Amino acid sequence: SYVLTQPPSVSVAPGKTARITCGGNNIGSKSVHWYQQKPGQAPVLVIYYDSDRPSGIPERFSGSNSGNTATLTISRVEAGDEADYYCQVWDSSSDLVVFGGGTKLTVL
Amino acid sequence: EVQLVESGGGLVQPGGSLRLSCAASGFTFSSYAMSWVRQAPGKGLEWVSAISGSGGSTYYADSVKGRFTISRDNSKNTLYLQMNSLRAEDTAVYYCAKVYQLPERKGYYFDYWGQGTLVTVSS
Repeated sequence: SYVLTQPPSVSVAPGKTARITCGGNNIGSKSVHWYQQKPGQAPVLVIYYDSDRPSGIPERFSGSNSGNTATLTISRVEAGDEADYYCQVWDSSSDLVVFGGGTKLTVL
Repeated sequence: EVQLVESGGGLVQPGGSLRLSCAASGFTFSSYAMSWVRQAPGKGLEWVSAISGSGGSTYYADSVKGRFTISRDNSKNTLYLQMNSLRAEDTAVYYCAKVYQLPERKGYYFDYWGQGTLVTVSS
């Protein structure tokens, strides 16, 4: 089955740029989606189709996807961005959805 | 405004059964596939199951195949998850999520989520 690998944690100072990676075999050929989840809350979609932002999501959030790595980039990080972030793809070979293990973003 | 409200969670003994419901509003329910995603305490997200808009196609994670059944009643705008032969490892918050399908077999993502309902499997 298809596996997505994320770093367990990423730390960044306020105002700096955070990059959260999602690794998978030839993930560049798939569409990658990203969710933000704050403690005690449901996940919220922040990036879909590799790099598109839903309405209401700040432009500071962006995404890219190439080769074996997809990346969620958060520019000018704010304290309110502290959360868990999950990448997700659909595996066409199995017709199933796969989530990455999640990355805890800490704002120092 | 899209709203998804789950219900039916609770404490159940190992081997027992439970049926979750998700009441949907704010969109044309029958036009969209729906899905269940769960999250064990302190763990990450795990996709559980999905169903097409008509209900004619269903999909399951290997971990629940043969034990869980997803269904929907489009006349009631409600999604269900029948869970049988429950195990301790099924303990989790279960989220209902609306599916947005991408074209040309690019897959899908979840554009709206409910607040979740907690299922605890314990004796």
